[in-house]
Amino acid sequence: KNQVEQSPQSLIILEGKNCTLQCNYTVSPFSNLRWYKQDTGRGPVSLTIMTFSENTKSNGRYTATLDADTKQSSLHITASQLSDSASYICVVSPFNDYKLSFGAGTTVTVRA
Amino acid sequence: DTGVSQDPRHKITKRGQNVTFRCDPISEHNRLYWYRQTLGQGPEFLTYFQNEAQLEKSRLLSDRFSAERPKGSFSTLEIQRTEQGDSAMYLCASSLLGYTFGSGTRLTVV
Repeated sequence: KNQVEQSPQSLIILEGKNCTLQCNYTVSPFSNLRWYKQDTGRGPVSLTIMTFSENTKSNGRYTATLDADTKQSSLHITASQLSDSASYICVVSPFNDYKLSFGAGTTVTVRA
Repeated sequence: DTGVSQDPRHKITKRGQNVTFRCDPISEHNRLYWYRQTLGQGPEFLTYFQNEAQLEKSRLLSDRFSAERPKGSFSTLEIQRTEQGDSAMYLCASSLLGYTFGSGTRLTVV
């Protein structure tokens, strides 16, 4: 069973609109939670990284939140642009383990 | 260039052939990882090196797969007698504290 579940699997939004992606995890304890953006045919690129004690982290139009009590994280994209079309992957780093636990990703398509 | 480099970016091979991929990590990173990613899925762990020592291999890494990291610098991943099921994106990542991925090698076995 995957320890990191993401929803929705995919979504389509109009340029300029906002959207929120969800990540639920069971990895515990964990040292940090990361959101990556992966363009088609490319490797993942880090957007945000939060330790278990952080609630929110922003990177430009991307804002990630973390609720360690409910084991949920979200990634909010503000004023979407066509270049935001990509897969967004939630990744949890277990405490004292070098292997990351990956979600399957949410594919975001931004349309003009 | 301070990123993780992977070569080649794309590889098309016939079933049964051997292929080798290369990863050049960020120079000060002592940890290096190989992952495999199929369409619509997150990356799956294959193997991990700390310096030149291969410390863990996933069960996904069958005996047709071998990885090396001589001298603790670059790493190679070799797949022998490729099968169509090997078609995937092979990602390399390195870390010291942070985690940085390369752009991957897309393998297509025909």
